[in-house]
Amino acid sequence: ETGVTQTPRHLVMGMTNKKSLKCEQHLGHNAMYWYKQSAKKPLELMFVYNFKEQTENNSVPSRFSPECPNSSHLFLHLHTLQPEDSALYLCASSQELLYQETQYFGPGTRLLVL
Amino acid sequence: GDSVTQMEGPVTLSEEAFLTINCTYTATGYPSLFWYVQYPGEGLQLLLKATKADDKGSNKGFEATYRKETTSFHLEKGSVQVSDSAVYFCALKAAGGTSYGKLTFGQGTILTVHP
Repeated sequence: ETGVTQTPRHLVMGMTNKKSLKCEQHLGHNAMYWYKQSAKKPLELMFVYNFKEQTENNSVPSRFSPECPNSSHLFLHLHTLQPEDSALYLCASSQELLYQETQYFGPGTRLLVL
Repeated sequence: GDSVTQMEGPVTLSEEAFLTINCTYTATGYPSLFWYVQYPGEGLQLLLKATKADDKGSNKGFEATYRKETTSFHLEKGSVQVSDSAVYFCALKAAGGTSYGKLTFGQGTILTVHP
């Protein structure tokens, strides 16, 4: 139990659908992250939030829209996705953005875009 | 930019064999170094870390030493178990520049341990 939960664990959606991924951390952390894990590619950082403010958008297409209403919750809103967006989406949190800080990961949402 | 290179897998071992997974990095300054493990169907779990040169991280029988001179952070375990079968990721967190605080991962190494 890492203290970071993600829902849903699995999601199948069509290219015209709109869906949202949810992440919640119970660790009292101030920084939260979205990563994309595709087959045969290194994990890709997508977004970073620090004290609810977005500090990083790693050239992510606008069909992915993050939202961080408070330090404990992070959402990833999805719309008009492409099949190549199928991947495991991982949420993580850390106390702060300091380089020594450990990031704790959730179990991920396995997304399939048809 | 920062990068992490891991030995390519998959690695297949018999139970009680010695494990080494090589990891080298390129980074500005002196990053923090991490090993994460991902068991089937799960997210990433921190295995161990080291935040400065010559530090040794250890956990569950795994060890890795931060070697600045060779820019390496190789993962070792003296006697693997079937339950160690997983994907292992080496990662660094930059200590300076525009990548400060961001994790950069290697491509991952699949380990399979047979009874």
